Amino acid sequence: QLQLQESGPGLVKPSETLSLTCTVSGGSISSSSYYWGWIRQPPGKGLEWIGSIYYSGSTYYNPSLKSRVTISVDTSKNQFSLKLSSVTAADTAVYYCAREVVTFDYWGQGTLVTVSS
Amino acid sequence: DIQMTQSPSSLSASVGDRVTITCRASQGISNYLAWFQQKPGKAPKSLIYGASSLQSGVPSKFSGSGSGTDFTLTISSLQPEDFATYYCQQYNSYPRTFGGGTKVEIK
Repeated sequence: QLQLQESGPGLVKPSETLSLTCTVSGGSISSSSYYWGWIRQPPGKGLEWIGSIYYSGSTYYNPSLKSRVTISVDTSKNQFSLKLSSVTAADTAVYYCAREVVTFDYWGQGTLVTVSS
Repeated sequence: DIQMTQSPSSLSASVGDRVTITCRASQGISNYLAWFQQKPGKAPKSLIYGASSLQSGVPSKFSGSGSGTDFTLTISSLQPEDFATYYCQQYNSYPRTFGGGTKVEIK
């Protein structure tokens, strides 16, 4: 059974960089069939797609965040990562990683990241 | 970007009711439409892809229809475990976009 697990700091200071990693188990991140994505959800609000990456490193980003986002993949560790720079309180959210095949079919449990000094 | 608009934003229903949620895309997306269910404190769960195809393990009380710009999710007989928030999402193009959600509450 495929499992995804987000990890990283739960508290980030304003203007700093948010860094999260998603570890994939029960399957290979290098499969040619899948993209791997990040989605976030501010408290009490809806879902926002951040970006997706292919195992080769090809990426798609949300234009609203593109200038601040970097998604990378480490196939040797079966992980992919998110970096979001210059964060503000508006970036406070639960961050999910997910497998994208057609749509997002497997999700991590999510991790709350709070931006506060 | 393709905007996804769901209606209603919330609804109250009773156990056994038939419930329909609507999702409209700002431009045609063929059938590249998915539906998710989210319960409080949990990750979204994929229910439907391709507008009408059930994900493995999803009960047949859930059904989806539509093509182009207008889509519906129907729950044929609402059960206590179905009270949740439902989201549509288009995957016709990047950026992927979600509807604002429909919260289904107990009447």
